[in-house]
Amino acid sequence: TQLLEQSPQFLSIQEGENLTVYCNSSSVFSSLQWYRQEPGEGPVLLVTVVTGGEVKKLKRLTFQFGDARKDSSLHITAAQPGDTGLYLCAGQKYTDKLIFGTGTRLQVFP
Amino acid sequence: SQTIHQWPATLVQPVGSPLSLECTVEGTSNPNLYWYRQAAGRGLQLLFYSVGIGQISSEVPQNLSASRPQDRQFILSSKKLLLSDSGFYLCAWSWGRGTTEAFFGQGTRLTVV
Repeated sequence: TQLLEQSPQFLSIQEGENLTVYCNSSSVFSSLQWYRQEPGEGPVLLVTVVTGGEVKKLKRLTFQFGDARKDSSLHITAAQPGDTGLYLCAGQKYTDKLIFGTGTRLQVFP
Repeated sequence: SQTIHQWPATLVQPVGSPLSLECTVEGTSNPNLYWYRQAAGRGLQLLFYSVGIGQISSEVPQNLSASRPQDRQFILSSKKLLLSDSGFYLCAWSWGRGTTEAFFGQGTRLTVV
């Protein structure tokens, strides 16, 4: 059972464009994480959000945790080819196991 | 510092053959350990989860099994591989308490032929 649905599944944009990736669930999570994965490698953590409504910024990336802690979004401003990769959200219920989302593959063309 | 080792990196196995993938963590004690499987370009499916030696939670019915014979060793096995077992397998660890990130190995690309 996939508890975390990401949209869109694929995103292909030109350099300089903005984009938003969504991560939705019917479950409440105590924390939500965003990872980025390069081909043939394991995912690497970008950010963790733990408070409902929390917003975190990492350079051109803005992450938000929903007020009800059931959803999250990742917004990228002025995307660059180096942003290309697979973006994964992951939710955790307190000290329980980490469940990953369905993934969003981003391709940024120069 | 903590490191995670996963091997082999690639594996081609015939249908019906056994499987053993090994993962070890260094530099920490009593980590949570995970085995995930990933279809091409998609999210990670949790297969097994362990919070301690001999404690394994299976998330998906399948012909795979996992064992944790030592605190920092996690093994994924199968007695007889199926074509559908092909995929990218990832081992990960996290701290045992609280909100924590997962640290991943480099993955094993398994192709069952």
